Formats: sequence, C-alpha cells, structure tokens
Amino acid sequence: DTEVTQTPKHLVMGMTNKKSLKCEQHMGHRAMYWYKQKAKKPPELMFVYSYEKLSINESVPSRFSPECPNSSLLNLHLHALQPEDSALYLCASSHPGEVAGENEQFFGPGTRLTVL
Amino acid sequence: GQQVMQIPQYQHVQEGEDFTTYCNSSTTLSNIQWYKQRPGGHPVFLIQLVKSGEVKKQKRLTFQFGEAKKNSSLHITATQTTDVGTYFCAGRDFNKFYFGSGTKLNVKP
Repeated sequence: DTEVTQTPKHLVMGMTNKKSLKCEQHMGHRAMYWYKQKAKKPPELMFVYSYEKLSINESVPSRFSPECPNSSLLNLHLHALQPEDSALYLCASSHPGEVAGENEQFFGPGTRLTVL
Repeated sequence: GQQVMQIPQYQHVQEGEDFTTYCNSSTTLSNIQWYKQRPGGHPVFLIQLVKSGEVKKQKRLTFQFGEAKKNSSLHITATQTTDVGTYFCAGRDFNKFYFGSGTKLNVKP
C-alpha cells in the first residue's frame, strides 16, 4: 500500500467554524507533513512530524493546529480561518531522515479548502 | 521568500520536441528532488540527486545536479502528451526545505 489518503476532498467553512482535516498512511512512514498550496504556486511546507513529535513549524499562524495521534494518522485542526487561507492542503509522508526533505515524500490527493 | 527559482515558468511544446527546466538556488543545497504534478493532481516524486555533478536517467528523463550543488535540470527527450503537468524541483539547505517555483509543461499533440 503506497497510498496516502486525505479526507475530506473538499471543505467549505465560515470564518467562525472549527473543522479538521485528516490524513492517513499505512506505509510504515514515521515522518508526516502538512503543506499548503495556492493556485499556480508551489507547495509550502507548514509542519513536519517525526516519530509522532512535531519537529518543524514553519511559523504557521496558531489558527492551524496539527496533531499526530499515532504513526499512521495526521490531523490539521482549523479555527477562525481567514479567506486567504483558502487553498489545497496536502499531506505527505516519508521515511524519517535527520532533516525534512531528506527522503522521497508520498503525497495525498489533498483537501481543497474554501473559507467564506 | 522563495529561494529556489525555476525557469521557464511555462513551456509549450509540440509532441516529440524536447523540454528542459532549470532549477536555481541562491544557496548550496544538500540534495535536490524532482516532483511532477498533473493538472488537478498532487505532487509525485520522480527522483533525488545528492552528489555534486550527479546525472540520473529515467527512460526519456535526464536529471542533473550542478557541480556547486546550487542548480539542477530536468530534460525530457521527445515529449509525449502524458508529460503534461508542472515539474517542481525541491531542495534542502541547512534545515529548510523548499519547493521551486515550478515549470508548467503543455504538450500539443
């Protein structure tokens, strides 16, 4: 199984809502990532978890809160988002390295988020 | 800000023509990875280069990593319509991992 799954595929939320994005992989990878991708732009790294511990937070606003309940699951909790947060949110996983970007990353299909 | 730039931003070719995208970093990279993202899809890993001057081939695709480890290129020979998509390089300097700005390839049949 070389698949990373993400739910939901699409999400529309208001600025006062609380929602969560979910990501799952069963490749035995111990590094998991959240990326944000705006239209016609490259993915931007947000968070990295290594062995279920947060290892990188790329100065992401606190309205985004990641969680890694176990080695297969990664969540991104959303609260009080702004319209400019509308984007494709990609999850990825890899074998852990000493630093991010050291190993091949497997990406999920993403959640397309619209904030009204 | 963006430290890994790619040129060209867009490339339109006739099927059968060759295509090259260049990736340039302002700093020395520990490694470089290449990903392809089809329209409406997600990035898919193509290859990783680690050594200075390294060249790797995958069928019609040739990847190079510069001697100074600040630039890289992806060359596709005899493009096919299945090559359509955006090609991103991605590199790491010290502890920061960046995707390049991407080159969008369109192939006309």
